Amino acid sequence: EAGVVQSPRYKIIEKKQPVAFWCNPISGHNTLYWYLQNLGQGPELLIRYENEEAVDDSQLPKDRFSAERLKGVDSTLKIQPAELGDSAVYLCASSSRPGDTQYFGPGTRLTVL
Amino acid sequence: KNEVEQSPQNLTAQEGEFITINCSYSVGISALHWLQQHPGGGIVSLFMLSSGKKKHGRLIATINIQEKHSSLHITASHPRDSAVYICAVSGNQFYFGTGTSLTVIP
Repeated sequence: EAGVVQSPRYKIIEKKQPVAFWCNPISGHNTLYWYLQNLGQGPELLIRYENEEAVDDSQLPKDRFSAERLKGVDSTLKIQPAELGDSAVYLCASSSRPGDTQYFGPGTRLTVL
Repeated sequence: KNEVEQSPQNLTAQEGEFITINCSYSVGISALHWLQQHPGGGIVSLFMLSSGKKKHGRLIATINIQEKHSSLHITASHPRDSAVYICAVSGNQFYFGTGTSLTVIP
């Protein structure tokens, strides 16, 4: 069974540029998470989806970050415009139900210059 | 204040040693998770538990709900166990600890 797929794996952009990350969860997993992970820190939740509905986006900086999960499968996380402090690893995870074991993708390492 | 606290932050052990990583939490939970992250690698779920003890190979995870405490034990440690071990709890939200960086020296 394929795991959580994320792309790109690495992205380098200049500040003020837009960037988008894509995630394909494990088939059948209704719950999808986007996390941000800084070096030496644990993941920080940005947004959680139940199917196509964003049920927890309280930690998402909505002035520059947006996310969507059309059709309740794939999801895209966008940053526009990116700032230097956005450099981090962006992780996508999915689970069959809220609170169940999460399966993480490999992450996208973003570097903002 | 962190909802999930791990100790130690860093741990170095000789190959073969018995290792314990501790996790304390302050919120109500439905489950506790132990995760493993190798350098430059993705996060892998090791255990999800809500009571008692679970064992998988050389890894053992225990939880004491009353004391809001969990431990991850590694028996006969090996250099390939070198990784960051993250404790997370799930309830209304997911809370993650900052991780314990383990280095096992041959």
